[in-house]
Amino acid sequence: GAVVSQHPSRVICKSGTSVKIECRSLDFQATTMFWYRQFPKKSLMLMATSNEGSKATYEQGVEKDKFLINHASLTLSTLTVTSAHPEDSSFYICSARDARGSSTDTQYFGPGTRLTVL
Amino acid sequence: AQSVAQPEDQVNVAEGNPLTVKCTYSVSGNPYLFWYVQYPNRGLQFLLKYITGDNLVKGSYGFEAEFNKSQTSFHLKKPSALVSDSALYFCAVRVANQAGTALIFGKGTTLSVSS
Repeated sequence: GAVVSQHPSRVICKSGTSVKIECRSLDFQATTMFWYRQFPKKSLMLMATSNEGSKATYEQGVEKDKFLINHASLTLSTLTVTSAHPEDSSFYICSARDARGSSTDTQYFGPGTRLTVL
Repeated sequence: AQSVAQPEDQVNVAEGNPLTVKCTYSVSGNPYLFWYVQYPNRGLQFLLKYITGDNLVKGSYGFEAEFNKSQTSFHLKKPSALVSDSALYFCAVRVANQAGTALIFGKGTTLSVSS
């Protein structure tokens, strides 16, 4: 149980284009999903918290107009990188918090999406 | 400020030997603490967590962690390391933020187990 998928696993795009990454909880409902960015050999940086049916809450320094987050259902959140630039190249990881029972603070992570902007 | 620290960038251990990956934290109130493991180009896998109760927490793949309130530590341990344990390990602590609660992660410790 507690499987989170991400699609695509890898994407290469041209500078100026937009890229959408999907995050799905496959066997549980996730009222809250999180988006992280990970730089090489670095820790995870929380970008935003996404609650189903409401606007995402962005961390300080993260441009909400550039990183659009939608959490339209209890099993799906999307991150769209708009007008991507080479500096947006990174490993993007989502996680979902299981809303069931008492284990409400355990986050289950997707496999990540490697974005390369040329 | 609330934070979590992993003082070692890398830990090297021979297969069959015990391993310890260190973590210390600084939070207000009672801490919720987590360990995750990351294999190359993969997402994070949950290993174990401490919320309350017994200070020794057992998790996946034979790992365990000991919560020490006086030392504000939550070190990850395994009695006998395997080469397949080689990976990047993250300690995390739950904090309150404007969105509710979130996890903040240490910078990670690379564990290398040699055969």
